[in-house]
Amino acid sequence: SQQGEEDPQALSIQEGENATMNCSYKTSINNLQWYRQNSGRGLVHLILIRSNEREKHSGRLRVTLDTSKKSSSLLITASRAADTASYFCGDSGGSNYKLTFGKGTLLTVNP
Amino acid sequence: DGGITQSPKYLFRKEGQNVTLSCEQNLNHDAMYWYRQDPGQGLRLIYYSQIVNDFQKGDIAEGYSVSREKKESFPLTVTSAQKNPTAFYLCASGKGQVFTDTQYFGPGTRLTVL
Repeated sequence: SQQGEEDPQALSIQEGENATMNCSYKTSINNLQWYRQNSGRGLVHLILIRSNEREKHSGRLRVTLDTSKKSSSLLITASRAADTASYFCGDSGGSNYKLTFGKGTLLTVNP
Repeated sequence: DGGITQSPKYLFRKEGQNVTLSCEQNLNHDAMYWYRQDPGQGLRLIYYSQIVNDFQKGDIAEGYSVSREKKESFPLTVTSAQKNPTAFYLCASGKGQVFTDTQYFGPGTRLTVL
C-alpha cells in the first residue's frame, strides 16, 4: 500500500539552521500534504502540493515534489525553538483517495 | 471561534467497558475522520464519513463503532472487542468529500485502559 515514509526519523539542529526532511511514497499520487504535530496535540496542516506542482512556498517553509523519484522534501529555513515538533507527510492517490501518513520526523531545534 | 473539538482530553477505561469519544466541528465540513496514533507511529484510519448518515470503515475498524447523525458530530465508541485500545485518538474534518482535501485536526483524546 502507498505510504509516505519520512526520513530521517529524528533530526536535531541549532536555532537559526535550516532543517530538511524527506518523504518517499510508493505509487502515483494526487497530492502530498505536510503536517506538524506538537507533542500530545493534534496535527496542523502546513502545505499541500499537487502532483503537477514541483515546488511550493509558505513563509519559512519550502516543499518540493519529484514525482519521478516519488519523493518530497520539506525545508524549514532559519529554524526556531518553536519549530520543535514531529512532521508528517501524507500522500493521497490511487483509486481510493486514502490519505496515508508516515511515521514522521521528530525535529528538535535547540536554542 | 471555528474549529474542531474533542472531549475528553484524557479518558480511562476499565477492561470490558465501552467508551465514547466526542468529536464536534463548526467548520461546516462534510467529511470527518477518526485516526488512531500509537507512540512513535503514524496515524491509522479507523472510520470516515463523507456525509451525514453515511460512514465507511478504515484500515483498523474492528472493535470500534461510529455514528454520523449530525453534520457537526462524529462520535467514536471504543468497544470491549478492541483488545488493545490504549492510544491517542485524533478526529479530523475536511471541506470536501474526498481525502485529497486538507484535513483539520482536533486536539486529540488519550485513552488508557486500566
